[in-house]
Amino acid sequence: SQTIHQWPATLVQPVGSPLSLECTVEGTSNPNLYWYRQAAGRGLQLLFYSVGIGQISSEVPQNLSASRPQDRQFILSSKKLLLSDSGFYLCAWRSTVEAFFGQGTRLTVV
Amino acid sequence: QKEVEQNSGPLSVPEGAIASLNCTYSDRGSQSFFWYRQYSGKSPELIMFIYSNGDKEDGRFTAQLNKASQYVSLLIRDSQPSDSATYLCAVQRPGSARQLTFGSGTQLTVLP
Repeated sequence: SQTIHQWPATLVQPVGSPLSLECTVEGTSNPNLYWYRQAAGRGLQLLFYSVGIGQISSEVPQNLSASRPQDRQFILSSKKLLLSDSGFYLCAWRSTVEAFFGQGTRLTVV
Repeated sequence: QKEVEQNSGPLSVPEGAIASLNCTYSDRGSQSFFWYRQYSGKSPELIMFIYSNGDKEDGRFTAQLNKASQYVSLLIRDSQPSDSATYLCAVQRPGSARQLTFGSGTQLTVLP
């Protein structure tokens, strides 16, 4: 069965520090992968998606970037975090029918 | 106009009642529609998806789709306190990347 791993679960980082969140998927090949962010009390905002290795599409201009170095690995990064980057970050992958989410990373920028 | 809009809530219903959650979308080309449940602090989990006009039932849950009106709803029969959560409507965009666009969610509270 397919599994999606996302870590860390929580993160507190100072303003101006770098960020790296990792997501890996097991049990499937060539998945479509997505990074979403959820601000407190809000819906999910799509940040990036990838349909293959090295293929990244950005949804909104921002302080973040994404990379897909391997088929089942998706990384969200920032060189310098802003206060506004705080939120709940979710990695997801699509089967032909459903979208499955990782457990999420709650990022607090202080 | 937002791509996906949900009634803002919060919505409170007594235990055993029917909870009705609504969602409208703006892109007529959308083909697939999803309802997710999200407990506080947790990631969303899929409840149902629907592709065709009409009703789709799964246990206590019924999804309804009306593409002409660009309207999707979720009915929860015999609501239980464990159904208390935020419900997110998601619409798949046309195209091969199959991105989902989410509404802002409706918070449901089922009162014992």
